[in-house]
Amino acid sequence: DAGVIQSPRHEVTEMGQEVTLRCKPISGHDYLFWYRQTMMRGLELLIYFNNNVPIDDSGMPEDRFSAKMPNASFSTLKIQPSEPRDSAVYFCASSLGGRGDETQYFGPGTRLLVL
Amino acid sequence: AQSVTQPDIHITVSEGASLELRCNYSYGATPYLFWYVQSPGQGLQLLLKYFSGDTLVQGIKGFEAEFKRSQSSFNLRKPSVHWSDAAEYFCAVGARWEAAGNKLTFGGGTRVLVKP
Repeated sequence: DAGVIQSPRHEVTEMGQEVTLRCKPISGHDYLFWYRQTMMRGLELLIYFNNNVPIDDSGMPEDRFSAKMPNASFSTLKIQPSEPRDSAVYFCASSLGGRGDETQYFGPGTRLLVL
Repeated sequence: AQSVTQPDIHITVSEGASLELRCNYSYGATPYLFWYVQSPGQGLQLLLKYFSGDTLVQGIKGFEAEFKRSQSSFNLRKPSVHWSDAAEYFCAVGARWEAAGNKLTFGGGTRVLVKP
């Protein structure tokens, strides 16, 4: 099993540019999560999907952030326009089922630097 | 709302020594509890989880954790640390009520350094 795949692994961009992060969940998993990790705020849940439908986006910081899941095997997190404070590591995770004890499997993350 | 506290930001331990990482949670009932490990430049990997039954949980890589309801704690232990255990460790809480799905709340993490 390939695990959760994220691309790109590293992204450097300038303030004001659009950034798109991509995620391919584990095949068959019906839940997908986007997290952000920073030194100041730790690991925060941004949004999660069940069967491609956004369930809870209360963690999305502001309107500059948007996430989509057009099909079961692909999701994007977009930041437009990007700002230096968006610099962080963004993780995607997936799970089979939504029970509270289900394991979430994490991708390797995308390290974003906004100059 | 649930919360997780990991009181130790950094811990340095000698190779071969024992390790204990502390985790305290706040939740209205018995939550689901997880420990994840993050090696440098990597994603998070599940070490173990507790959801019911025996309060001493065995995980991968020789780790174990004990759920103590009276102390609202879920401390992680390893009897003998290897250099490859140098990483950051995260405790997480999941809610038991169905509407929450399997949203996790993470602690701030504990970075473990292993001395030769």
